[in-house]
Amino acid sequence: QKEVEQNSGPLSVPEGAIASLNCTYSDRVSQSFFWYRQYSGKSPELIMSIYSNGDKEDGRFTAQLNKASQYVSLLIRDSQPSDSATYLCAVNMFKGSGGYNKLIFGAGTRLAVHP
Amino acid sequence: GAVVSQHPSWVICKSGTSVKIECRSLDFQATTMFWYRQFPKQSLMLMATSNEGSKATYEQGVEKDKFLINHASLTLSTLTVTSAHPEDSSFYICSAGAHWRVKSTDTQYFGPGTRLTVL
Repeated sequence: QKEVEQNSGPLSVPEGAIASLNCTYSDRVSQSFFWYRQYSGKSPELIMSIYSNGDKEDGRFTAQLNKASQYVSLLIRDSQPSDSATYLCAVNMFKGSGGYNKLIFGAGTRLAVHP
Repeated sequence: GAVVSQHPSWVICKSGTSVKIECRSLDFQATTMFWYRQFPKQSLMLMATSNEGSKATYEQGVEKDKFLINHASLTLSTLTVTSAHPEDSSFYICSAGAHWRVKSTDTQYFGPGTRLTVL
């Protein structure tokens, strides 16, 4: 089983709709969760971080976390064509000595917002 | 805040040469920096984690003698691809870890990436 799983998509939604992106993770100890957006040919850009169960809203984005179900999601309201990108779910896992954590990334979900 | 730069943004080199990539955190100190590689249409692959002043920790399958990492200061880490070959052609991305005391957690911020082409 992969440590972080995402549906690869593409997820196609019409402009103005809500896009729902999902992610599951395997390590129950994980405490920090991140959503990154990556445009083609570019590096990932941090969109949201979430640490507690429940919802966290930032503009058009809402992250949802359910640690009991090991599930994290990202909702994008009023989707725009400029939201078309690959969305990477990342889970922070403490892996080594020296006190550093490392991010485990999902394979990403490609979102296509069509006019 | 939390800006990470990378240089160069792209490089083309001949097979057998070495290439150095710099990663800098511009407005924060990063005790930990990460190096990733991404092939077309694939996800990020963590290559190594570097802590300032100590040896890098490499992921399984990554040759430490081929990918030399130096983390000389809290704002600078370098990756040197030694004796590069065409199969090393890829998109190399660094990230810097920022610790936010208020949240008591770490967040990674990515540089813009370096596209390496080995002829």
